Amino acid sequence: QQQVKQSPQSLIVQKGGISIINCAYENTAFDYFPWYQQFPGKGPALLIAIRPDVSEKKEGRFTISFNKSAKQFSLHIMDSQPGDSATYFCAALKSGSNTGKLIFGQGTTLQVKP
Amino acid sequence: DAGITQSPRHKVTETGTPVTLRCHQTENHRYMYWYRQDPGHGLRLIHYSYGVKDTDKGEVSDGYSVSRSKTEDFLLTLESATSSQTSVYFCAISESAAGGNEQYFGPGTRLTVT
Repeated sequence: QQQVKQSPQSLIVQKGGISIINCAYENTAFDYFPWYQQFPGKGPALLIAIRPDVSEKKEGRFTISFNKSAKQFSLHIMDSQPGDSATYFCAALKSGSNTGKLIFGQGTTLQVKP
Repeated sequence: DAGITQSPRHKVTETGTPVTLRCHQTENHRYMYWYRQDPGHGLRLIHYSYGVKDTDKGEVSDGYSVSRSKTEDFLLTLESATSSQTSVYFCAISESAAGGNEQYFGPGTRLTVT
């Protein structure tokens, strides 16, 4: 059972365009939603995260939009650059479990063409 | 970069042999995690530790065991490796289990079981 579903699996965007990656979750007990960025041959690294008490969080060119009623959240990359080419993972966490167990989506491979 | 090292970085082994992967941290973080990364599945938690000698199962723990005898070291053992355990394995660490506490990932170990 995939508790966090991510789409699309792959994405090609022109330089300067907007990249959008979507995630949907099932468990309403999740209360922390991070996005991780992974470059080839490296481990994932935290990019940006949101809690469900806000509908949007922006850090530079990266924005998370959160729709609690639809149980969906998305990552928007504005003015996409070739250096943004990487694999992106959404994730979800139940803080109350006190385990730190992140549930990851399947990942999206983003290619930004020059 | 968080002080996390994984060894070995690459390993090829035969079906039925035991394999041990090591994660070493210099951050003195309490929580440590082992994930496996497979195409189409994202990252899936194998086991985690919330202190010395304190470990618990993740979502894909069958065929794996772990040990943590020191704060800085978390070992993952495949008792009898199978081809289905061919994967990239990542170790992660965090200070606490609460949302908002970043999980820092190591560089990964690529394991091939022939």
